[in-house]
This record gives sequence, structure tokens and C-alpha cells, in this order.
Amino acid sequence: GENVEQHPSTLSVQEGDSAVIKCTYSDSASNYFPWYKQELGKRPQLIIDIRSNVGEKKDQRIAVTLNKTAKHFSLHITETQPEDSAVYFCAATLYNFNKFYFGSGTKLNVKP
Amino acid sequence: NAGVMQNPRHLVRRRGQEARLRCSPMKGHSHVYWYRQLPEEGLKFMVYLQKENIIDESGMPKERFSAEFPKEGPSILRIQQVVRGDSAAYFCASSPPSGVTDTQYFGPGTRLTVL
Repeated sequence: GENVEQHPSTLSVQEGDSAVIKCTYSDSASNYFPWYKQELGKRPQLIIDIRSNVGEKKDQRIAVTLNKTAKHFSLHITETQPEDSAVYFCAATLYNFNKFYFGSGTKLNVKP
Repeated sequence: NAGVMQNPRHLVRRRGQEARLRCSPMKGHSHVYWYRQLPEEGLKFMVYLQKENIIDESGMPKERFSAEFPKEGPSILRIQQVVRGDSAAYFCASSPPSGVTDTQYFGPGTRLTVL
């Protein structure tokens, strides 16, 4: 099956700086890659996703890049704010298979 | 438009008892997934169901765990004879029928504590 690895496990940045979280996957057939944000004690919430026919997608301060050849994808958060502090999970799945393989999570701490 | 609903939000059981966790998917969603999250860890896939069918249960322990999604009513994850190692947050997610979108939407989770 698919194996998703996520780095770093913790990330601490100063407010206003950028944060980058990286994930690699093992199954070259995976073609859908969502990112979820989970605040303490809350549900995971989708923040951005990308399909394999696209190399980059941006939504305001959040962007995701995908390198299919290298089988890795990254989350970029610019101008970080304290409310960005949370655990972020990447995932990979095969279209229509619907079984998500999650990374182990990155705990992001944005210091005011 | 109500999101994915789960109940109870917190459940305390003694070792050997049964735990029943319920999940009502978003309106219009016919696919349900269950995930387990241990403290400080990621989400682990357990089972994927459609109405009256288990599609993929490869992440479910072979014993004591079962899941169903009946024609009427919520999906239920059942854990028999719970042990302390079952203590975790159990999240349900739902998605529309295939071909509409791949996105899964998560419920608020049920936090199971086994004493």
C-alpha cells in the first residue's frame, strides 16, 4: 500500500515568517493530495488539495506544490499568524479509491 | 447544511465493556470512513463503507472491531471487550458519491477512554 512520510514533526516560526512542510509518498499511482489542519481537540479540516495533473495550487497565504517525478509535495504558508498554530497532516490517495493515507503530522507553532 | 455528526463526543468504558460510536455523514454523502488517532499521532485508516456495504476494512483489527452503515440511520463502529489500548480519538469522515469530488469531511470525533 501507500506510505506517506511527513517532515518536520514540529516547526516553530516567528509571526510573519514562512513555514514549509514536506511529504513524500511511495505509490506513483497516487493522484490526489489533500492537506488538513487540526487544532487541539478539534476535527481535521481541509485547507487545500491538489491533483496530480497540477504542479501548484495557491489559496491566499497557502500554497501546495507537487513533484510527481520525485513523489513529494509540500505545503507553504506565508506571512504566518498565531492562528496558524495547529497540527497539519498531508495525505495521499488514488482517485476513486477514497482511502486516505495520512502523514504523521507537523505541529506548527507560530510565535507572536 | 449540517456537517458530519458524531456521538457521543466523549465515551468512558471499563475494560471488557462494549463501545458504540455513531456517525451521521453530511447530507448527500454516501461514503463513510473511520479513522483512529492515538495521542500525538496521525490518523490511521480503519474502514471504508457505503450504504449496506463494507468496501475496505483493511485497517480494522481482526477481532473485537466491527463497522456497519445500514440503509437507514448512522454508521456505527463497534468495539467489543474494550482494552486500555483502544483509548483514542475515533474520527468519521464522509464524501459524496464517486465522481463528484474526492474530498473527505471529518466529524468532531469521539474520544474513547478505557479505564
